[in-house]
Amino acid sequence: DTGVSQDPRHKITKRGQNVTFRCDPISEHNRLYWYRQTLGQGPEFLTYFQNEAQLEKSRLLSDRFSAERPKGSFSTLEIQRTEQGDSAMYLCASSLVGRGVTGELFFGEGSRLTVL
Amino acid sequence: AQSVAQPEDQVNVAEGNPLTVKCTYSVSGNPYLFWYVQYPNRGLQFLLKYITGDNLVKGSYGFEAEFNKSQTSFHLKKPSALVSDSALYFCAVRDVHSGNTPLVFGKGTRLSVIA
Repeated sequence: DTGVSQDPRHKITKRGQNVTFRCDPISEHNRLYWYRQTLGQGPEFLTYFQNEAQLEKSRLLSDRFSAERPKGSFSTLEIQRTEQGDSAMYLCASSLVGRGVTGELFFGEGSRLTVL
Repeated sequence: AQSVAQPEDQVNVAEGNPLTVKCTYSVSGNPYLFWYVQYPNRGLQFLLKYITGDNLVKGSYGFEAEFNKSQTSFHLKKPSALVSDSALYFCAVRDVHSGNTPLVFGKGTRLSVIA
C-alpha cells in the first residue's frame, strides 16, 4: 500500500498522560500536514512541514502539542498532559507541491484519540 | 482570510435522483477548490478539484462540480445518486496567491441517499 498511513488508529488514554501519533506520508510527497477533526466539524489545520522544516503552526496548536518530521520522511505528533478537550480524530495528509503541481492533499485513515 | 461555507448540514435524496451539495467560498484572490468525501471512521478521499480552465470539473465516482466565480460557489453534483454515495462531503479552498497557506475546509454536509 503506497498511501498515507497513520498509527495507532485508536488511542484511549487517561487525562494527564502523553500520547504520540505517527504518520508515514506518500514517499515522493514533500509536504506533510496535521489536521484535527472533532464530531460534526471539518478538519482544522494544526501544522505542516515542507521536507523537514515546520513552516506553519496554527494557534490551535498549544504548547502541549509538538510535531516533528526528522529527515523529511515520517512525522510524529505528540500531545503532552492530555485533556478531555483533546479528544478528536487526528488526520495526517501529504502532498506534492512545486512548479505546476497543485498539491491536493492525500489523507491517512486518521488516529482517533479518546481522553478519559 | 479564506473560508468555506457549506450551508446544509444534511442532504437527503432518493436513489436515482440528481444530487447537489452546496459550497460557497471566500478568498482574496483566485481560488483552488476541492471536494473530499469521508466514510465512517475513515480519512478523507479526494474527489475533484478546480484549478483553472473549464468551469465544469469532472471527478471520481461520477461526481462533478461547477465553479461559478460571480457567485463564489463550487457546488458538487451527480446526475443519478447511489445508496453507496451516502457519506460526509467536504469542500475546501486555498487562495492561489497565498503561497503556502494550507487548505481550509468547510464543516461538511452529510449526504443520505435513500433506496
